[in-house]
Order: sequence, then C-alpha cells, then structure tokens
Amino acid sequence: DAKTTQPNSMESNEEEPVHLPCNHSTISGTDYIHWYRQLPSQGPEYVIHGLTSNVNNRMASLAIAEDRKSSTLILHRATLRDAAVYYCILRDLIQGAQKLVFGQGTRLTINP
Amino acid sequence: DTAVSQTPKYLVTQMGNDKSIKCEQNLGHDTMYWYKQDSKKFLKIMFSYNNKELIINETVPNRFSPKSPDKAHLNLHINSLELGDSAVYFCASRPGWGSQETQYFGPGTRLLVL
Repeated sequence: DAKTTQPNSMESNEEEPVHLPCNHSTISGTDYIHWYRQLPSQGPEYVIHGLTSNVNNRMASLAIAEDRKSSTLILHRATLRDAAVYYCILRDLIQGAQKLVFGQGTRLTINP
Repeated sequence: DTAVSQTPKYLVTQMGNDKSIKCEQNLGHDTMYWYKQDSKKFLKIMFSYNNKELIINETVPNRFSPKSPDKAHLNLHINSLELGDSAVYFCASRPGWGSQETQYFGPGTRLLVL
C-alpha cells in the first residue's frame, strides 16, 4: 500500500486560508491523490482528488508538486465547520476496485 | 434523503454474541465497502463488493462475514464477538468499477463489546 505523511495537527483562524501538506514520496505514475475529511462523529467525506494538475472545486483546491511527491490541500477561507481530520490518500486499485488506505490524517482546529 | 444508511447506529453487546450491521445505499452504485475505525481512529478497509461479488478482503478474521443480497445492500455479520471488535464500522459506496469516482460513507455504527 502506498503511504502518505501528514502533520498530526494544525491550527488556523476563522476566515483565513489553510494549507494542509501531504508527502507521498512513493507515489506511482497512476496513483491519484485523494483528500477526504472526517467531521466529529461522522463518516469520512470526499473533498477533492487529482493526478498531476492542480484542481479546484467548491470545497477546496489541490496543489500538486511537479514531481508529484507532495501535495497541499488549500481551504481558501476556513470556517468553524471545517474543523475535522483531513486525510490525504493515494488511491490503489485491486482488480479494478478502488481501495483507499487511510493514514493518521491531520486534525485541523479552527479558532473563532 | 440519506444516500448511505446504516443500522443500527449504536450496538452494545456481550462478548461471544453474534450480531449484524446493515447497510443500504440509494445511489444506484455498483461498489460497496466496509471499513473499521478503531479506538486510535485509524480507518481500515475490511471488504469491498462489486455487483454482489467480493473483490477485496483485507485479512479480516473469518468471524466477519459480509453478505450482499443485492447491489444496494451490504450487510456485515460478526460471529463470536470479541472485545477487540469494539469500533466504529463505516459502510461506503462508489459508482463504478475501476473509475475515479469518490466514495460516499454512511454515518457509522458504533459497536461496543462488553
């Protein structure tokens, strides 16, 4: 299973941008980078994914390094509802079935 | 409208009992999963089914037996429950086979074995 490395925790202030880093030095050419988040007492929730190019959606942006060995999830204006554990995942395929291997994630705290 | 639902939400039982957790998705997805999140909050995949066929089995003890009566349902039966089975179990689903679509998770079933 491919591995990712994230800081255990980060803290930011409300309405400020947040940059959540992830290292994935063992990434292979076909691995997609997925980000999920888990709010307290809820199931994980998809945030964004990408392969090589930077990606934007309504929730966040994903900046992928040119060598693809690291990526950064960007929350442009954090709110209190963004407080969650954020997981950076390298999507694996088993006989065509998608397999997500979750790491420890980054616990994001948002200060009012 | 709940996309992925699980029942029960909470389950407290004695060691040695047999219990089942049910999962249903109304999204028309072909692939469903079971994950286990232990007390240290690590989330690990257990099983994956695609169109009622078992695709992924992550060295889970034989006491755990998933059953998919149709592609909208993936139930998890656990025999002879042990203390270490206490965890939160999440069901998830995904649209396609071999594609990049996201997984949609249920709210979780919190199992406590006494």
